[in-house]
Amino acid sequence: GQNIDQPTEMTATEGAIVQINCTYQTSGFNGLFWYQQHAGEAPTFLSYNVLDGLEEKGRFSSFLSRSKGYSYLLLKELQMKDSASYLCAVRDSSGYSTLTFGKGTMLLVSP
Amino acid sequence: DAGITQSPRHKVTETGTPVTLRCHQTENHRYMYWYRQDPGHGLRLIHYSYGVKDTDKGEVSDGYSVSRSKTEDFLLTLESATSSQTSVYFCAIETGTGGMDEQYFGPGTRLTVT
Repeated sequence: GQNIDQPTEMTATEGAIVQINCTYQTSGFNGLFWYQQHAGEAPTFLSYNVLDGLEEKGRFSSFLSRSKGYSYLLLKELQMKDSASYLCAVRDSSGYSTLTFGKGTMLLVSP
Repeated sequence: DAGITQSPRHKVTETGTPVTLRCHQTENHRYMYWYRQDPGHGLRLIHYSYGVKDTDKGEVSDGYSVSRSKTEDFLLTLESATSSQTSVYFCAIETGTGGMDEQYFGPGTRLTVT
């Protein structure tokens, strides 16, 4: 089975940097995904890590350590529009592998 | 835009009635998924499909059935709706061919069972 933990809520200030952590315990691992979800909307794909290290994509970066069962999403130069829920999801290594999602971290960016 | 639509977008129904939600994609992706999203639980997988007539159960499949008779359509049926099935339902597709790529979500269906 899978167990994925993320903080429930975080707050930050416009222009700052915020790090959202995700820890996981899985019976098999085949990649970790981050999604962004604005209130009332569908989740949208942000990043994917399957190997250890940092993946950078504009203002967003995602890090993975497989040995520690740990990932983080780093958001730089925060903007008001970054206020959203951020979902961590892990893919297992079974035949038809599926995603298991954490409960999400609600980020509130204030002026 | 992964070309995913869901219908209806909103539905209110009574306990005990059957309900079918439709997910339609325009790009012939092999893998399709149904999730439900509830406060305090996050996204949970109901059923998924890895091809026409090939489906399997997810974490919360009780009370739900699915069908996929064409590549482009994946139907979710609540045979006899209960209040516990009030939720937001998302369909997703996977863009790769090996079930190893990112998923893209449809706009969602908000279902209320009274």
